[in-house]
Amino acid sequence: NAGVTQTPKFQVLKTGQSMTLQCAQDMNHEYMSWYRQDPGMGLRLIHYSVGAGITDQGEVPNGYNVSRSTTEDFPLRLLSAAPSQTSVYFCASRSSLIVDQPQHFGDGTRLSIL
Amino acid sequence: AQSVAQPEDQVNVAEGNPLTVKCTYSVSGNPYLFWYVQYPNRGLQFLLKYITGDNLVKGSYGFEAEFNKSQTSFHLKKPSALVSDSALYFCAVRDMSNFNKFYFGSGTKLNVKP
Repeated sequence: NAGVTQTPKFQVLKTGQSMTLQCAQDMNHEYMSWYRQDPGMGLRLIHYSVGAGITDQGEVPNGYNVSRSTTEDFPLRLLSAAPSQTSVYFCASRSSLIVDQPQHFGDGTRLSIL
Repeated sequence: AQSVAQPEDQVNVAEGNPLTVKCTYSVSGNPYLFWYVQYPNRGLQFLLKYITGDNLVKGSYGFEAEFNKSQTSFHLKKPSALVSDSALYFCAVRDMSNFNKFYFGSGTKLNVKP
């Protein structure tokens, strides 16, 4: 049981480049989400999805796009990378069927933008 | 607005001594509260949660947390710290107006010295 898998683990981009961070889960979870983790700021929600075809914005959505075509996958797209997007990105999933379920996190993608 | 605060960036404790990592919250209504732990270069792992019921919640690895409604706190505790408990700890609260959103504290680095 792999849980939540994120690729790549590390990436360096130049300002203005585009990139897609991949996230896949094998637990058949309806809910998936993306967070960014910055020092001293904890985790902040970027976007989330409650099922295929359904996405919504979190606290810090600007500069990021998402889509959800399957239950398993929830990619995060940076259309034009900026240095302010240098961060560690985490994908998480949970079952929506039980209200108090905790989230399962991937191991993160460390992204540096020069 | 709903939020959590972790007032200590770092907590130092000697192995074998009790530890406390503090968390206070601000939500409307009855909160759903969570504690997660993060080891270096890994994603967050769920430790325990408070939804309702007994104010003392027991979780993984011998951790427990005490919910105090009057002080709006949810402090993480362990009677006897281990060196292997050294990690980054996050408190989180569920948005009670939108169950799909969670807010995380800024994190507390726990250092357990031999």
